Amino acid sequence: GAGVSQSPRYKVTKRGQDVALRCDPISGHVSLYWYRQALGQGPEFLTYFNYEAQQDKSGLPNDRFSAERPEGSISTLTIQRTEQRDSAMYRCASSLGRRLAGGTDTQYFGPGTRLTVL
Amino acid sequence: GDSVTQMEGPVTLSEEAFLTINCTYTATGYPSLFWYVQYPGEGLQLLLKATKADDKGSNKGFEATYRKETTSFHLEKGSVQVSDSAVYFCALSVNTGNQFYFGTGTSLTVIP
Repeated sequence: GAGVSQSPRYKVTKRGQDVALRCDPISGHVSLYWYRQALGQGPEFLTYFNYEAQQDKSGLPNDRFSAERPEGSISTLTIQRTEQRDSAMYRCASSLGRRLAGGTDTQYFGPGTRLTVL
Repeated sequence: GDSVTQMEGPVTLSEEAFLTINCTYTATGYPSLFWYVQYPGEGLQLLLKATKADDKGSNKGFEATYRKETTSFHLEKGSVQVSDSAVYFCALSVNTGNQFYFGTGTSLTVIP
């Protein structure tokens, strides 16, 4: 079946604008994760959901960042009043969820959205 | 806290050479360990994983053994190919949470 999809793949915006990044997980996956990856670094956790509930948002860097998953499927990561330091690759991943996985819950990643803030 | 330390790159090898990429970890619980690969222009793909001590993960000729005594999960391949050129990320997941902790990635280039 289809993997995790993200849109847009590339986003260029001006400082101060709001952006919304979309993630469409693998069908049937309970858990959804957002990561941010700076150039030359590994992905850094931002937040995750089980179904529509946001379970952990400890990685969100400040209150300009928010995420939602209102129907337990597609998720949107919103960055308000963007700053140049927000420029990065934003990656989404989904997984079956621990209960369904019956053990190690492997995350499957989308292609990412590269955000550039001018 | 939980973290992964990964061998820095870039690594350049000739085709058919032996590959080792070192990865060590620190974890408060009982982690599962992963190697992800990112080919040029693509997203992260799971390469292999191991869920408990002494487990060996393997895929596409790559292997890694979960060594609790040395807190390591080194990636190896006996004979690399040009198509193995990619960035490799070591990662861990601790049972108590759902976060993955990634290393900084090691870029591998294999030349013919």
